[in-house]
Amino acid sequence: EPEVTQTPSHQVTQMGQEVILRCVPISNHLYFYWYRQILGQKVEFLVSFYNNEISEKSEIFDDQFSVERPDGSNFTLKIRSTKLEDSAMYFCASSGTSQEKLFFGSGTQLSVL
Amino acid sequence: KQEVTQIPAALSVPEGENLVLNCSFTDSAIYNLQWFRQDPGKGLTSLLLIQSSQREQTSGRLNASLDKSSGRSTLYIAASQPGDSATYLCAVKRIGGYQKVTFGTGTKLQVIP
Repeated sequence: EPEVTQTPSHQVTQMGQEVILRCVPISNHLYFYWYRQILGQKVEFLVSFYNNEISEKSEIFDDQFSVERPDGSNFTLKIRSTKLEDSAMYFCASSGTSQEKLFFGSGTQLSVL
Repeated sequence: KQEVTQIPAALSVPEGENLVLNCSFTDSAIYNLQWFRQDPGKGLTSLLLIQSSQREQTSGRLNASLDKSSGRSTLYIAASQPGDSATYLCAVKRIGGYQKVTFGTGTKLQVIP
């Protein structure tokens, strides 16, 4: 079965550094998403991306964050000037259409020290 | 603002028992509702997707129902097995072209052999 892949599985960074989280969505999917889950809390929506632009974003997704689809297969989340509170599991997801089920990757555990 | 709540927060049952997990949401203007399974430190696996026009969906031992007017969904697991132990999340998507999915608080299920 096709799957969403994310790299790295774990990322440790120093506060103030920039990180890039990478995702390869399912190949024929058109909608891409980033979610995050702080330990012990709900899964939270960050951003959705369609047709090479952001289609929706949450209040969490401020200027510190950006997304990009640099080529036909990768989808990245960049976090600039990381803060301690950015420590979380970041999930990438994709769907064929906006109405279809979401397929999630296994996540990147980001630890900001 | 959509709020999604799941009761109970945790559940422990002996193997073989049938069980029901509950999900409630405050805004009934939803497009669909999806049930996920999350294993510790892992990603989210989609179990069932119910469109707003549907009343239920079935997959193997799982049956999900949706009562949009009362803002409720249930996930029924028949003949539970130790391998069903995981956290179960429900997530709703609003109508109106929104991409964001709002997740519930989750029910942590333990099936005891």
